[in-house]
Amino acid sequence: EVQLVESGGGLIQPGGSLRLSCAVSGFSVSSDYMGWVRQAPGKGLEWVSVIQSGGPTRHADSVRGRFTISGDYSTNTLYLEMNILRAEDTALYYCTRGTPQRYWGQGTLVTVSS
Amino acid sequence: IVMTQSPATLSVSPGERATLSCRASQSVAPALAWYQQKPGQAPRLLVYDASTRAAGIPTRFSAFGSGTEFTLTISSLQSEDFAVYYCQQYNTWPQTFGQGTKVEIK
Repeated sequence: EVQLVESGGGLIQPGGSLRLSCAVSGFSVSSDYMGWVRQAPGKGLEWVSVIQSGGPTRHADSVRGRFTISGDYSTNTLYLEMNILRAEDTALYYCTRGTPQRYWGQGTLVTVSS
Repeated sequence: IVMTQSPATLSVSPGERATLSCRASQSVAPALAWYQQKPGQAPRLLVYDASTRAAGIPTRFSAFGSGTEFTLTISSLQSEDFAVYYCQQYNTWPQTFGQGTKVEIK
C-alpha cells in the first residue's frame, strides 16, 4: 500500500528555516516523480517542487533559491529544505507522488509569523 | 500557463448534472488533470490526460477537452460529490492549477 506521511511543519519566524520530511512506503522514492504542493489557508493549490525519479529537480519561481527538494533513498524519505521563509509561505504542505499527482499525504502545516 | 476555472461556485441539487469548465492560457492538451478536494482532506486525482478516469473513480465523472478548453461533467450528483474541484496542467513546468470550482448543494 502506498503511504506518504509528512512531518516537520510548525511555527517559524520570518527569515527562518525549516525542513519538511515525507516518509514513503509501498514504493521507492527514486522510482517516480516526487514533489510538494502547498495550500495557503482557505486558498487553492500551488505546485512547489519536484524531483524527477531521483534525478533533476525543479522549483516554482516563488521558492527558487530558497527551497530545495531532495530524496534519501536509503531511508525512502523525501525532503523539502525551506530557507528565508516569508509570511506568504504559510500553508499546508502536501507530499505527492507522480505527475499528475496520483498520491497525496495528509499534509504538514507551516506557519511563518513573528 | 494560467488556468482559469468557471464558475467559481456551482449550486446544484442532488441528482442533477454539473458541468465545470477550465481554460488554459495556451495549449496544454492532453496534459490536463482534475482533482476533487473535500474539507479537511487532501486532493484526490479524478481524471488525467484530459479524459481518462483515475483508478476507482465512478463513471458518473467524465471529462473531455482539447487545446485550451476542458470540461468535467458529473452526470448525477451524489452527496459525496459536493466539494471543490481543481484543474491542473502538467504539460509545461511549472505545473499550474486553476483557482477551483466549489460545487455546493442547492
